[in-house]
Amino acid sequence: GAVVSQHPSWVICKSGTSVKIECRSLDFQATTMFWYRQFPKQSLMLMATSNEGSKATYEQGVEKDKFLINHASLTLSTLTVTSAHPEDSSFYICSARNAPGTSGGETQYFGPGTRLLVL
Amino acid sequence: AQKVTQAQTEISVVEKEDVTLDCVYETRDTTYYLFWYKQPPSGELVFLIRRNSFDEQNEISGRYSWNFQKSTSSFNFTITASQVVDSAVYFCALSEVYMEYGNKLVFGAGTILRVKS
Repeated sequence: GAVVSQHPSWVICKSGTSVKIECRSLDFQATTMFWYRQFPKQSLMLMATSNEGSKATYEQGVEKDKFLINHASLTLSTLTVTSAHPEDSSFYICSARNAPGTSGGETQYFGPGTRLLVL
Repeated sequence: AQKVTQAQTEISVVEKEDVTLDCVYETRDTTYYLFWYKQPPSGELVFLIRRNSFDEQNEISGRYSWNFQKSTSSFNFTITASQVVDSAVYFCALSEVYMEYGNKLVFGAGTILRVKS
């Protein structure tokens, strides 16, 4: 149980294009999903927290117009990197969590990540 | 503010050796959760364990064991008889309990474990 998928796993794009990354909880309802960014040999940096049906909460320093997050259902959240530039190249990881008080509701389960390379 | 410190940046051991990964945390909350995650070279974070602040019992799962001590704010992780497949980055993390909009995880910097055959 508690499987989270991410698609695509790899994406290479030209500078200026937009890239959409999907995060799905496959066997549980994800009341809350999180988006992280990880640079090589570094820890995870939380970008934003999204709750189903409401606007995402962005961490300080993260441009909300640059990184668009949509959490339209209890099993799907998307991150769109708009007008991507080489400095946006990174490893993006999502996680999903069930509602507090539910089984596993206190634990974030992570997707396999998406490696983005902007040329 | 919450903080997690993993002082060991990198550890190298030979297969079958035991290894302990240290984790020290800071929080003002009385109720919180502690986690360990494993990140193999593939990149996916694998959940290993969750421990709440009221449960100080040590836990053993196969070759893995965890030692939680509130008195020293530590949550250390021991791998017994290490194997090459244990090679990965291990993250310790801390979260508050039952925030309205999801428990944010505060991660440590991670410890790279290299197990040589």
